[in-house]
Amino acid sequence: SQQGEEDPQALSIQEGENATMNCSYKTSINNLQWYRQNSGRGLVHLILIRSNEREKHSGRLRVTLDTSKKSSSLLITASRAADTASYFCATVSGWDSRLTFGEGTQLTVNP
Amino acid sequence: GAGVSQSPSNKVTEKGKDVELRCDPISGHTALYWYRQSLGQGLEFLIYFQGNSAPDKSGLPSDRFSAERTGGSVSTLTIQRTQQEDSAVYLCASSSGQGFGYTFGSGTRLTVV
Repeated sequence: SQQGEEDPQALSIQEGENATMNCSYKTSINNLQWYRQNSGRGLVHLILIRSNEREKHSGRLRVTLDTSKKSSSLLITASRAADTASYFCATVSGWDSRLTFGEGTQLTVNP
Repeated sequence: GAGVSQSPSNKVTEKGKDVELRCDPISGHTALYWYRQSLGQGLEFLIYFQGNSAPDKSGLPSDRFSAERTGGSVSTLTIQRTQQEDSAVYLCASSSGQGFGYTFGSGTRLTVV
C-alpha cells in the first residue's frame, strides 16, 4: 500500500517559475525522502529530511516537513526544462529502512 | 562499481516461462531492495534484504516470486510461470541503512507476451 499521497498529480509551468509539490503521509516516520525519475526508469535521490528537522535546502531545492500535519513539500526554484520529471516522496517508518513511496507528481517545465 | 547495476535492461518473455532478474548493488551497502513499477504508477515494494537477517518478503505478490541475495552482495529476483500482469519495470536499490538515501539501478523492463 502507498504511504504517501502527492499533490498535484501533474504540474505544468514555464521555465524560470517555481514549482511546489506536496506530500502527505499516514503514519509516524523516521525520515522522508524525495526522488526524481526520468523516463520511467531509475530514481535519483534528491534530499532526505529527518523527523526532527523542519526545513532543508540543497541547491535550488527546498524541502519542508510538518510532522504535526504529516506533510512535506518540495520547492524547486527557478525551474529549468531539464527539471521535467516525475517526483516522488517516500517515507521510512519503524525499525527498518524500507521506503514507502507516494504516487508521484509529474512536473513539466516548458521552455 | 560506482552504481547499482541491473541486468538485463529489457526482457521479453512468453507467458508461462520463468525469468531471472539480476541486481549488483554498491559494494558495502548492507541493504538491498526490490520494487516494481507498473506503467504510470508509483513504486510497489517487493522484498528487502538487510545484512545477514532474514529478508522481508511481505511485498511479494504471489508464491511465483522469489529472491535471494548471495554473499551479501548480488541479488536475483525470480518470477516463475510469468503472467501478463507481471509486465512492469523492476527496480533494485541499495543503501547503507536507515538514515541514508537509496541508490537505484536503471531497472529491468519486463514484458510478458
